[in-house]
Amino acid sequence: DAMVIQNPRYQVTQFGKPVTLSCSQTLNHNVMYWYQQKSSQAPKLLFHYYDKDFNNEADTPDNFQSRRPNTSFCFLDIRSPGLGDAAMYLCATSRGEGQGNEQFFGPGTRLTVL
Amino acid sequence: KQEVTQIPAALSVPEGENLVLNCSFTDSAIYNLQWFRQDPGKGLTSLLLIQSSQREQTSGRLNASLDKSSGRSTLYIAASQPGDSATYLCAVGGANSKLTFGKGITLSVRP
Repeated sequence: DAMVIQNPRYQVTQFGKPVTLSCSQTLNHNVMYWYQQKSSQAPKLLFHYYDKDFNNEADTPDNFQSRRPNTSFCFLDIRSPGLGDAAMYLCATSRGEGQGNEQFFGPGTRLTVL
Repeated sequence: KQEVTQIPAALSVPEGENLVLNCSFTDSAIYNLQWFRQDPGKGLTSLLLIQSSQREQTSGRLNASLDKSSGRSTLYIAASQPGDSATYLCAVGGANSKLTFGKGITLSVRP
């Protein structure tokens, strides 16, 4: 089945220790997104790629970076995690942009910062 | 700035009841609207997508409607079952397919 895969499902890191979260997709979609969802809150878009074009949200902290080496993979790098970065990180994809484009989400990676 | 509101935050109903979940948004210039389901500790499952040119979409026991002019959408669930217990999120799609989410409604269906 075509899908969005996130690894690992659970990640524990120490305060200030860099961490990388991974997302891959078999849907061959052009657009990949990273969302942050804190407990009992709405998911919040951090950034997205349309093919190789990177689009950062204005309020995304510089501590968060992303890489998309090819169509299938996208990575979220947190350079110096703080306690406030503990959250569920959700990856999503869509075929393109515009009204007909449905977003499909992966299972998420829950990040704990000690 | 788009804001999406879902009220109430939680809802408990007996099994078999038909129910309506509400979603409101402030900016009617939207591309689409998606309803998602989220089980505890899990990712989001897309339920329905309504394009801005559409008024409603149906999938099985689910029916979603969209009224752009009034900034409202509803998700109708027919004959609710305990397996429908989850959090339901409404998300409004804007430029560059950016989704703005509501906080969700946590539904509990009692056997």
